[in-house]
Amino acid sequence: AQSVTQLGSHVSVSEGALVLLRCNYSSSVPPYLFWYVQYPNQGLQLLLKYTTGATLVKGINGFEAEFKKSETSFHLTKPSAHMSDAAEYFCAVAVTTDKLIFGTGTRLQVFP
Amino acid sequence: EAQVTQNPRYLITVTGKKLTVTCSQNMNHEYMSWYRQDPGLGLRQIYYSMNVEVTDKGDVPEGYKVSRKEKRNFPLILESPSPNQTSLYFCASKRGGSGNTIYFGEGSWLTVV
Repeated sequence: AQSVTQLGSHVSVSEGALVLLRCNYSSSVPPYLFWYVQYPNQGLQLLLKYTTGATLVKGINGFEAEFKKSETSFHLTKPSAHMSDAAEYFCAVAVTTDKLIFGTGTRLQVFP
Repeated sequence: EAQVTQNPRYLITVTGKKLTVTCSQNMNHEYMSWYRQDPGLGLRQIYYSMNVEVTDKGDVPEGYKVSRKEKRNFPLILESPSPNQTSLYFCASKRGGSGNTIYFGEGSWLTVV
């Protein structure tokens, strides 16, 4: 069965520091992988997605993620955190037309 | 503007009183879905619809009903709400195909007392 594991329910970084949010997936077929962000009192917004092709994917707001098949990972990074990056981040995997499986989320705090 | 619109955004109701959360999308998407979000559990799929008059259960369908009479609308019905259905609900839509982006509504906070 397909699944998504996000390591760390809370991550705290200082402003200007590297952001690394971890996501590992389990899938028996090539997956489509997504990162969504949820700001307080808002819906989920797509940050980036991997479907096929280049394994390093660039998204909005300076985020990027790398699909590593050998490690079954799709970690999200940003070189320099900004206060406005504070939000909850969800990794998700799609393996069929009807199913998007979400991880349990990682709340990112950014300290001045 | 491309939108998924849900109403109401906030609702407090009593156990057993039927309620409907409406969802409408203006992107002509075939696929629509309902999720609930609970702390520590992420988003879990309740029901989804591949097209008009086609609906199917997700992971947590108990206590919920849906219908898809029109392509743009996908209401979520709680026939007899219970406190364990207190949650944040999201409607979502996308074009058919696994790699397509899912667009979410802004969420509906539901409290059942």
